[in-house]
Parts: sequence; C-alpha cells; structure tokens
Amino acid sequence: SYVLTQPPSVSVAPGKTARITCGGNNIGSKSVHWYQQKPGQAPVLVIYYDSDRPSGIPERFSGSNSGNTATLTISRVEAGDEADYYCQVWDSSSERVFGTGTKVTVL
Amino acid sequence: QVQLVQSGAEVKKPGASVKVSCKASGYTFTSYDINWVRQATGQGLEWMGWMNPNSGNTGYAQKFQGRVTMTRNTSISTAYMELSSLRSEDTAVYYCARAQGGLYGMDVWGQGTTVTVSS
Repeated sequence: SYVLTQPPSVSVAPGKTARITCGGNNIGSKSVHWYQQKPGQAPVLVIYYDSDRPSGIPERFSGSNSGNTATLTISRVEAGDEADYYCQVWDSSSERVFGTGTKVTVL
Repeated sequence: QVQLVQSGAEVKKPGASVKVSCKASGYTFTSYDINWVRQATGQGLEWMGWMNPNSGNTGYAQKFQGRVTMTRNTSISTAYMELSSLRSEDTAVYYCARAQGGLYGMDVWGQGTTVTVSS
C-alpha cells in the first residue's frame, strides 16, 4: 500500500515560517490534501488539490507538490496554528491514505 | 449551515457490533460521498471507506473489508457505519466526513463518536 511519511514534529517561532513535508513515491502525480487537527477537535481541511485554500482558510497557508515531496507552508505563524497536520492522497488502489502526521509547536 | 452530526458515544464488548450514525444538514445529502475515518487515542487518522448516498455504492479500505458496512437512509439524510467483530484495538473516535469524490478533499467533518471496546 502507498505510504506517506511526515516528520513527527516541527517547531517554529511566532511570525516565522513553518514547512511541513509529506513524502511519497511520485506524490507529484497525485492530488494532495492537508488537514489541521487541534486537540479534541475534528480535522479541518486547510489545503486541497495541492495548493488551493477552502474559503475561510487564511492566505498564510499554502501548498506545493512536486516529485516525491508535497509541502504545506504556514507563513507568519501564530499561536493558533499549533496543531497536528496530516497530508492525504487518493491512492491507485482506490483508497484514501493519510500521512503519519506532524505536530506543529509554536515556540 | 452545512454540518454533519454524529450519534453519541458507545461502549461495546469484544465480539459485538457498533453502528454509528451521521446526519447531514444544510446541503443536498445525495450530492456528496460520506467517508468514515477513525483515530485511536494519540494516533493518526485512519480512513475506513466511503459511501455514495445517491447510489449506495461503497468502497472499503482493505483492512476493514468483511467487517465494515456503510449504509444510508436518504429520507432522513443520514449515513451509517457498522463495524462488527469488535476488538480492543477498535477503541477510537470515529468521524464521518463529506467529499465530492475520491479525488476531492473532505471539507466537512462530523464532531466524532467515541467507541470504546472493553470487556
């Protein structure tokens, strides 16, 4: 089955930029979605189709996808961005696959 | 507003079955697939499968094949996920989430239903 690998944790100071990677074999050929999950809450879609933002998601959130790595970038990080982030693709086996998840800590 | 509201917490014994409901409102229920995702405490998200409320077609993750059944009642805009032969490892929060199809992101999520499997 398809595997998506994320770093377990990313730490970033307020106002700086956080980059969260999602590695997978030729992931650039797939559409990647990103979800934010805060403790005790359901996930929220923050990026779809690699780089599109749903309405209500700040422009500080952006995404890219090429080769074997997709990246979620959070610019001008705020305390409220502290959460777990998951990438997700639709695999050729007709299954949704989630990444391992990354905990973002705002210092 | 668009929302998915799930049924309440469940406690089940090993070997039993659980059926979780997910009631949609604020949009046309038959226009979006319903996906089910679960999360054990302290663990990541795990996709279980999808159902098209219009056709009733389903697709299940291989891991759950034979143990999960997804159904719907369009008259009350409600989707259901039934998991059988429960074991302790099935203890988790179960979420429903809508999407326009497999390639689309899941843009609306239910609040989650805690299922505890314990003897």
